[in-house]
Amino acid sequence: TQLLEQSPQFLSIQEGENLTVYCNSSSVFSSLQWYRQEPGEGPVLLVTVVTGGEVKKLKRLTFQFGDARKDSSLHITAAQPGDTGLYLCAAAWNDYKLSFGAGTTVTVRA
Amino acid sequence: KAGVTQTPRYLIKTRGQQVTLSCSPISGHRSVSWYQQTPGQGLQFLFEYFSETQRNKGNFPGRFSGRQFSNSRSEMNVSTLELGDSALYLCASSPRGAYTEAFFGQGTRLTVV
Repeated sequence: TQLLEQSPQFLSIQEGENLTVYCNSSSVFSSLQWYRQEPGEGPVLLVTVVTGGEVKKLKRLTFQFGDARKDSSLHITAAQPGDTGLYLCAAAWNDYKLSFGAGTTVTVRA
Repeated sequence: KAGVTQTPRYLIKTRGQQVTLSCSPISGHRSVSWYQQTPGQGLQFLFEYFSETQRNKGNFPGRFSGRQFSNSRSEMNVSTLELGDSALYLCASSPRGAYTEAFFGQGTRLTVV
């Protein structure tokens, strides 16, 4: 059974600070996705990465895919209260199922 | 383009009853996946349907079943409800398969009492 580990579980920072969330697995991914979920809503897809070493930027969010395709990180620069939410990584292996990490709850205080 | 629509949004059922949840995917998407989300277990994959066929299945008991219609709309059924089935049930649609990208609905909050 492939498992995705996310760290940290909780993160509380002040507006304007930077933060990084990590996602790791012992197995090589086919692809990896990052989602953000707000209370009472479904997860919203932020990005999909498929190539080892790939870096994608989405405004103040930077997503990195490890060279070995077993880890990924999400970095937020100058966090804002609107960035508050549950950040989930999800990976597909060769069974084509999407498995989710437990998530990182991010709180950005104004 | 309309997003994924799940109905109902909230549901309260009694132990032993059965329940049917509905999901309308984004127009043109042929893959519909279902997930269970609980505070303790996180997001767990239930099953995926693609063009009316179950393509993939998670590790849930047979009480959990689903189907997909020719218009790609999907239903999920849970029979003989248990207290532990209380969760947020999420449906996601995708043009090719959830392992590529998934667009989620708002979910159905099921409470079993």
